[in-house]
Amino acid sequence: EADIYQTPRYLVIGTGKKITLECSQTMGHDKMYWYQQDPGMELHLIHYSYGVNSTEKGDLSSESTVSRIRTEHFPLTLESARPSHTSQYLCASSEFSGYYGYTFGSGTRLTVV
Amino acid sequence: AQRVTQPEKLLSVFKGAPVELKCNYSYSGSPELFWYVQYSRQRLQLLLRHISRESIKGFTADLNKGETSFHLKKPFAQEEDSAMYYCALGSSGSARQLTFGSGTQLTVLP
Repeated sequence: EADIYQTPRYLVIGTGKKITLECSQTMGHDKMYWYQQDPGMELHLIHYSYGVNSTEKGDLSSESTVSRIRTEHFPLTLESARPSHTSQYLCASSEFSGYYGYTFGSGTRLTVV
Repeated sequence: AQRVTQPEKLLSVFKGAPVELKCNYSYSGSPELFWYVQYSRQRLQLLLRHISRESIKGFTADLNKGETSFHLKKPFAQEEDSAMYYCALGSSGSARQLTFGSGTQLTVLP
């Protein structure tokens, strides 16, 4: 079934560890996005990509990095996790025009202890 | 800069009562507006788009450019409508990024 998948769903990790949050979509969408969301707060765009080898930073400054080597895959990496990185991370994708809005993944809830 | 404001963080209504979730936006171009909904333990999903002028699950939203608003309405709320609702504004051009409001938690009481 065409969908967007995020793993892991929950992650608790120690300070200083390197982590990668996975996001894959099977809808053939060109555009992909990462949003950060604290509980009860708005979603903030931290990274986006128009296609393979295209990545841009979003409105909210983030110490994370992303890559887009394949159309379907848009992982987010934190080289050294800190407690301030504790948040929910949502991945989304859209077809190029964006006319139909975004399709969101289930999210990864990250806790850095 | 584009901005979306949802003034109510929490909204409670009784079953069968009308409900209106407010959304105001700030954008210099031609806006594309969306409502997203997140039910308990489910992912964020698109509810409706202003451009399609559709009614989904009894909800409608009309774009009012004069008041820069896109309020979500339903004449008779149901308990299953209880969820978090986000208004989102799409930028024009190739970027098509969505800017989200802070959300309104709707609770429909029995």
